[in-house]
Amino acid sequence: GQNIDQPTEMTATEGAIVQINCTYQTSGFNGLFWYQQHAGEAPTFLSYNVLDGLEEKGRFSSFLSRSKGYSYLLLKELQMKDSASYLCAVRDFWASGTYKYIFGTGTRLKVLA
Amino acid sequence: DTAVSQTPKYLVTQMGNDKSIKCEQNLGHDTMYWYKQDSKKFLKIMFSYNNKELIINETVPNRFSPKSPDKAHLNLHINSLELGDSAVYFCASSPSKTGRNEKLFFGSGTQLSVL
Repeated sequence: GQNIDQPTEMTATEGAIVQINCTYQTSGFNGLFWYQQHAGEAPTFLSYNVLDGLEEKGRFSSFLSRSKGYSYLLLKELQMKDSASYLCAVRDFWASGTYKYIFGTGTRLKVLA
Repeated sequence: DTAVSQTPKYLVTQMGNDKSIKCEQNLGHDTMYWYKQDSKKFLKIMFSYNNKELIINETVPNRFSPKSPDKAHLNLHINSLELGDSAVYFCASSPSKTGRNEKLFFGSGTQLSVL
């Protein structure tokens, strides 16, 4: 089956570093995505990993270990505007060369002053 | 010049009514999706279309009927609305059904409230 787990809520202080973990089980893994969703808004793309290792993009980095079914999103120098939900999503092979994007329940991050 | 636009943004209706949500993308993408996000923020796929053809149908009740008149549009019609249909519905698109490193582009969502 398909399963994606991430913590429901996290709290961190402005200027700090926070790591949001995601574990997954899928049958036809073809990439892992992280999305940011502010309250009342649409999810927006943050990062993509398909090979093992760390991808860095400014204050945000994402890591993937395919053998462990594990990823994390690292946010550095936290700002108040980073308060949002962070969604881990896996692209899973579906059928006939198509893929399905499966989302976790999201981690709601609160950044405190 | 919004990339993925859906209307209406808010929809309040009575149980038993029929309603439609429209979605259009101007990105030239081949693949479009409908996702449902419940009160716990879980984003679950409902349907996926590739170039007007249905490719994913995720055990959604027959009361939900997607329609894709062309690859830039994917509408969602819901018959006999129930309380449990209350949620935020997101339309999304991606360049193709098989490409790699292809992120989803989301519309701004339609908040459906069934009373």
